[in-house]
Amino acid sequence: DGGITQSPKYLFRKEGQNVTLSCEQNLNHDAMYWYRQDPGQGLRLIYYSQIVNDFQKGDIAEGYSVSREKKESFPLTVTSAQKNPTAFYLCASSIDGSSGLYNEQFFGPGTRLTVL
Amino acid sequence: GNSVTQMEGPVTLSEEAFLTINCTYTATGYPSLFWYVQYPGEGLQLLLKATKADDKGSNKGFEATYRKETTSFHLEKGSVQVSDSAVYFCALKKAGGTSYGKLTFGQGTILTVHP
Repeated sequence: DGGITQSPKYLFRKEGQNVTLSCEQNLNHDAMYWYRQDPGQGLRLIYYSQIVNDFQKGDIAEGYSVSREKKESFPLTVTSAQKNPTAFYLCASSIDGSSGLYNEQFFGPGTRLTVL
Repeated sequence: GNSVTQMEGPVTLSEEAFLTINCTYTATGYPSLFWYVQYPGEGLQLLLKATKADDKGSNKGFEATYRKETTSFHLEKGSVQVSDSAVYFCALKKAGGTSYGKLTFGQGTILTVHP
């Protein structure tokens, strides 16, 4: 089955530690995205990548880093510089990064990160 | 910049009641509009979409009409079920330019349907 997988589902981190969230897709999509979801605030874009070896900052990139070495993988690292990292993180992908009207984004199941 | 505003939740209804979740937007040009649904503990799923003024998106009994004159995209369903309990997000994507497929989301509306 084609889709997006995120792991782990739940993640606990001690303050001051870096942690990496996994996102893998087998949809052969060029574009991938990371969003952060907080209660009552909707989703906010952290980083996006239109193509392998290229990525751009979204609206709230501070304290996060990404890489895109393979088409199917887009890991997100939450660094110790992120002041309030406890949140639900969602990865998404789309056929390409254009603003095409029928360019639907497909979402993974998410990872809930809690900083202890 | 672009923005999306949804009605405050949570919304609590009895089964078979009529549902409306209001959504208004601010954007230049002619954005595409979407409703996404998030069931407990899961990611988002596209529920319906509309790409131009007066278009009506529909799916699973839900409908929304793109109203450019009122910059709105309200979600409606004639008879809700317990299984519709979820969080609903309105979103827009600006067509053209250098938006790189970025979606702008509203804050989400929690819907709870009781038997």
